[in-house]
Amino acid sequence: LAKTTQPISMDSYEGQEVNITCSHNNIATNDYITWYQQFPSQGPRFIIQGYKTKVTNEVASLFIPADRKSSTLSLPRVSLSDTAVYYCLVGRGSQGNLIFGKGTKLSVKP
Amino acid sequence: DVKVTQSSRYLVKRTGEKVFLECVQDMDHENMFWYRQDPGLGLRLIYFSYDVKMKEKGDIPEGYSVSREKKERFSLILESASTNQTSMYLCASSDQGGRNIQYFGAGTRLSVL
Repeated sequence: LAKTTQPISMDSYEGQEVNITCSHNNIATNDYITWYQQFPSQGPRFIIQGYKTKVTNEVASLFIPADRKSSTLSLPRVSLSDTAVYYCLVGRGSQGNLIFGKGTKLSVKP
Repeated sequence: DVKVTQSSRYLVKRTGEKVFLECVQDMDHENMFWYRQDPGLGLRLIYFSYDVKMKEKGDIPEGYSVSREKKERFSLILESASTNQTSMYLCASSDQGGRNIQYFGAGTRLSVL
């Protein structure tokens, strides 16, 4: 099973770029890497997903090196509303091998 | 947009009671999941189901059972609630395309007294 390791917490200031790295040394060939955002008292919300190289959407970018043993979520120019817990997930939905990391608590300060 | 609805946002039950947590999704997803979330422990998978009447144990199934009689509905059952089951319970669903994008409900905060 592909377990993940993320920093427990990170601090940033408004307008900065934030990079959160997730380690997943035992990722399987067919596994995707997915990131979620969670605000207090809400369920997690899908942010971005990738398999290899780089993926970008309107919210974030995801960088995956060739060996796929880690990934980095990049949030450009964060605001106070980006304060949340970010989870890295590796696995395939239909096979049950779903592993959530413990998440990274991002605090954005004015 | 995918909608995953959990029947209650807050529940208070007594030790020994039988508790039902209901979850309904409207996207015809094959997969449904139940997690619990506790401070410092992140999300932990209790059970999941990839088809009607099918179920698989997750990481922490002890003390729980599930039921999936219809595709859109996945129920989590606590046969005899205990105080250590006080937690936030999250339901999620996904399709079987293999890309593992899960859509979550708002959660049920259960307190067992």
